[in-house]
Amino acid sequence: AQSVTQPDIHITVSEGASLELRCNYSYGATPYLFWYVQSPGQGLQLLLKYFSGDTLVQGIKGFEAEFKRSQSSFNLRKPSVHWSDAAEYFCAVGDSSGGGADGLTFGKGTHLIIQP
Amino acid sequence: KAGVTQTPRYLIKTRGQQVTLSCSPISGHRSVSWYQQTPGQGLQFLFEYFSETQRNKGNFPGRFSGRQFSNSRSEMNVSTLELGDSALYLCASRRDHGLETQYFGPGTRLLVL
Repeated sequence: AQSVTQPDIHITVSEGASLELRCNYSYGATPYLFWYVQSPGQGLQLLLKYFSGDTLVQGIKGFEAEFKRSQSSFNLRKPSVHWSDAAEYFCAVGDSSGGGADGLTFGKGTHLIIQP
Repeated sequence: KAGVTQTPRYLIKTRGQQVTLSCSPISGHRSVSWYQQTPGQGLQFLFEYFSETQRNKGNFPGRFSGRQFSNSRSEMNVSTLELGDSALYLCASRRDHGLETQYFGPGTRLLVL
């Protein structure tokens, strides 16, 4: 069964500093990977996704992520965070073999706090 | 294009009651998935519907059920509510099944007393 680990429950970053959120997955085949963001009281917004091809993917709001098969990782990065980036971030993996019928498997999330 | 809409946004029920939640997908999307989000268990897949058929179901008891209508709108029902069913229920839609991107609605927050 596939699984996703986000090792950091909370991360505090100063406004303007760089950010990296970690995500490790367990999956037998080539995974389909996603990063979603959730603001308080809101649903999930897709930041970026990796299906195949270039391992460095660009997303919205200045975010990027790099797929590293050898490390089973899909870390999210942003060069300079803004106070509005404070939110919960979820990494997810989709099943590439069964046509995605099993739904997405999510990590537990990383709560990002921005210090002024 | 309007996003995924869910109604109601908030619900309070008591143990033993049943509840029905509604989800309207993005226009043109035929697949609807449901997820439960709780502080303890995180986001968990409930089930997915495509063309009025349930394609798969997560590891939830039979009290959780759903259906999809011909216009792709979906409902989920929870019978005999338990305190542990208190959660944010999220609906996601995508154009087709398979690995299309899922777009999430704002969720319905259910509180069971």
